[in-house]
Amino acid sequence: AQSVTQLGSHVSVSEGALVLLRCNYSSSVPPYLFWYVQYPNQGLQLLLKYTTGATLVKGINGFEAEFKKSETSFHLTKPSAHMSDAAEYFCAVSDGLGFGNEKLTFGTGTRLTIIP
Amino acid sequence: GAGVSQTPSNKVTEKGKYVELRCDPISGHTALYWYRQSLGQGPEFLIYFQGTGAADDSGLPNDRFFAVRPEGSVSTLKIQRTERGDSAVYLCASSLRDRADGYTFGSGTRLTVV
Repeated sequence: AQSVTQLGSHVSVSEGALVLLRCNYSSSVPPYLFWYVQYPNQGLQLLLKYTTGATLVKGINGFEAEFKKSETSFHLTKPSAHMSDAAEYFCAVSDGLGFGNEKLTFGTGTRLTIIP
Repeated sequence: GAGVSQTPSNKVTEKGKYVELRCDPISGHTALYWYRQSLGQGPEFLIYFQGTGAADDSGLPNDRFFAVRPEGSVSTLKIQRTERGDSAVYLCASSLRDRADGYTFGSGTRLTVV
C-alpha cells in the first residue's frame, strides 16, 4: 500500500520569500509522484510530476520539486512567493507500474498563505 | 469538450434521498476516475473505469455507492439512501491513456446531505 505524508497542514510565508512544502511517501514499487494545487472552489491542477529520469522536476508558476529516493521525499519549492500562490497544495503518489489504473493516493494537503 | 465537466456543481439533498452526479470527460479519454474529498482531507479514490467497465471499484465505501459509464464516455456516480457522512466534494478525472501523468480533473460536485 502507498501513503503520503505532508508535514504542516498550514504554512505561511512572506511575499518574496522561499516556499517549501514537504512531502514524504511510502511505496513498495518505484513511484510516480505529483504535486497538485487547488484554488478555492476549483478542481485540482497539476503543478508538476516525477515519473522517471531527472530527479529535479520543474513545473508551472515557478515551482519545482526534487525526488530523493533515499529520503523518500518529494518536497515542493519556489524561490520567491507571490500572492497568487495562496492555495491548497496536495502531494500524491501512484505506483507507476504502467499496467493501467494508476489511481492516486493523496496527502492531506498543505494550505499556503502568503503574507503581504 | 475542452475540459472535464461535472454537474451539478452543488447539490443539497435530504438524508435518505438518492442522488446522481454526472461527469463528462475530455473527448477521447478512455480512463475515468472518481475521487471523494472530505473537508480538510485530500481526495480519496473511489472507482476507475477503462472504457465502459469498472476496472477497479475498491474505493467505493459501501454498496450504497455505484457508478456507471455505459457508452465509455459520460459517467454517473449514484448514491442511494444518502447519509450526512456522504457530504463531500466528488471529483472526476479523465486521462487519454491509463497513466496518471495524464490526469485532468473536473471542478467537482459539492454534495451536502442535510
